Amino acid sequence: DAGVIQSPRHEVTEMGQEVTLRCKPISGHDYLFWYRQTMMRGLELLIYFNNNVPIDDSGMPEDRFSAKMPNASFSTLKIQPSEPRDSAVYFCASSLGFWRSTEAFFGQGTRLTVV
Amino acid sequence: RKEVEQDPGPFNVPEGATVAFNCTYSNSASQSFFWYRQDCRKEPKLLMSVYSSGNEDGRFTAQLNRASQYISLLIRDSKLSDSATYLCVVNKGGSQGNLIFGKGTKLSVKP
Repeated sequence: DAGVIQSPRHEVTEMGQEVTLRCKPISGHDYLFWYRQTMMRGLELLIYFNNNVPIDDSGMPEDRFSAKMPNASFSTLKIQPSEPRDSAVYFCASSLGFWRSTEAFFGQGTRLTVV
Repeated sequence: RKEVEQDPGPFNVPEGATVAFNCTYSNSASQSFFWYRQDCRKEPKLLMSVYSSGNEDGRFTAQLNRASQYISLLIRDSKLSDSATYLCVVNKGGSQGNLIFGKGTKLSVKP
């Protein structure tokens, strides 16, 4: 398996633009997580899905952020409109359910810069 | 109290040294505990799970103290390649899929 695949790896956008981050989890994994990492706040969980259903989105900072998982092999995180304070590395991760393993496998991340 | 708290470091140690990292967590209902490693500008990767009885993997030893809500990681005979940030991870009690990451402890091993 190629692991968790994220795209794009880097994104530079202007304030006010819409940004869409994409993630393909490891096949067979039933949990998918979106994290954001900054120097100040570390790794923060934004939202996670179980079997394509959003379970906990309490970490989503505000209504400008939305996430979808239309099927087991694809998820998006959208920011509209983007702001400079959204600049961060966004990681997607996937894992098998708790009763087998909760090791989370991370993608390489998307480094977002909003100018 | 933060959900997962770690000493940010940095810990600067010579090769061959033994170094210990500590972590405390606030939710007594948490049941799963891990140490992840993150290299500079890379994604976090699982280093080891932490079990109640303590566990060892080569030069690495992890321990859990549920009563004190405290987790530790010991690295013996440190190598240059151990230089990284070590993240303490705890599942959110009552929400097994929700992993809470500490901000990490930075380790730099010098020749």
